[in-house]
Amino acid sequence: DVVLTQSPLSLPVTLGQPASISCRSSQSLVYGDGNTYLNWFQQRPGQSPRRLIYKVSNRDSGVPDRFSGSGSGTEFTLKISRVETEDVGVYYCMQGTHWPFTFGPGTKVEIK
Amino acid sequence: QVQLVESGGGLVKPGGSLRLSCAASGFTFSDYYMTWIRQAPGKGLEFLSYIGNGADTIIYADSVKGRFTISRDNAGNSLFLQMNSLSAEDTAIYYCAKSPRLLDYWGQGTLVTVSS
Repeated sequence: DVVLTQSPLSLPVTLGQPASISCRSSQSLVYGDGNTYLNWFQQRPGQSPRRLIYKVSNRDSGVPDRFSGSGSGTEFTLKISRVETEDVGVYYCMQGTHWPFTFGPGTKVEIK
Repeated sequence: QVQLVESGGGLVKPGGSLRLSCAASGFTFSDYYMTWIRQAPGKGLEFLSYIGNGADTIIYADSVKGRFTISRDNAGNSLFLQMNSLSAEDTAIYYCAKSPRLLDYWGQGTLVTVSS
């Protein structure tokens, strides 16, 4: 199975400051159709996960532009340019290239 | 707007069975692959199975192969998960989601608790 390793696992951030989460894959996530199915999700306490970024760098409708995704192959990054209170939660990367599709262990973002 | 609403969760004894449902609306259900994902209490997320739009493609994770069966009713816009031989390790919130590779929409989840 493809293992996704996220770092850090815990991320205390000061309001208004940037935050960055790394996601590394044990295999290339480039699929045969040329797409890289690496997605990012936010899970707020008590809620279902919500997709923020799909196929590495495409931001979902309604997602603030302070969220951005980048990377290629096996190394990916989610960045929050200026953390706000509503960003508290757990962030997961997920790969949809190799079955079984897998999630990273999650990064808990909290306000300092 | 897209809505996915799971139901059928509850308390079941070890070795028991449960059938989960997911009612879909707001999109052409028959055009999309669908998937089931679970999250054990305080834990991460695990893909269980996905099904093609015409049910011609069905894939399971090893952890549930032979015990769980995914199916769909395109006329009724519904997705199902039949779960047999349940154990404590199956205790989790079960989510249905649209488009397995992309997971653009999720339901709110239904809690399954396996306990004697």
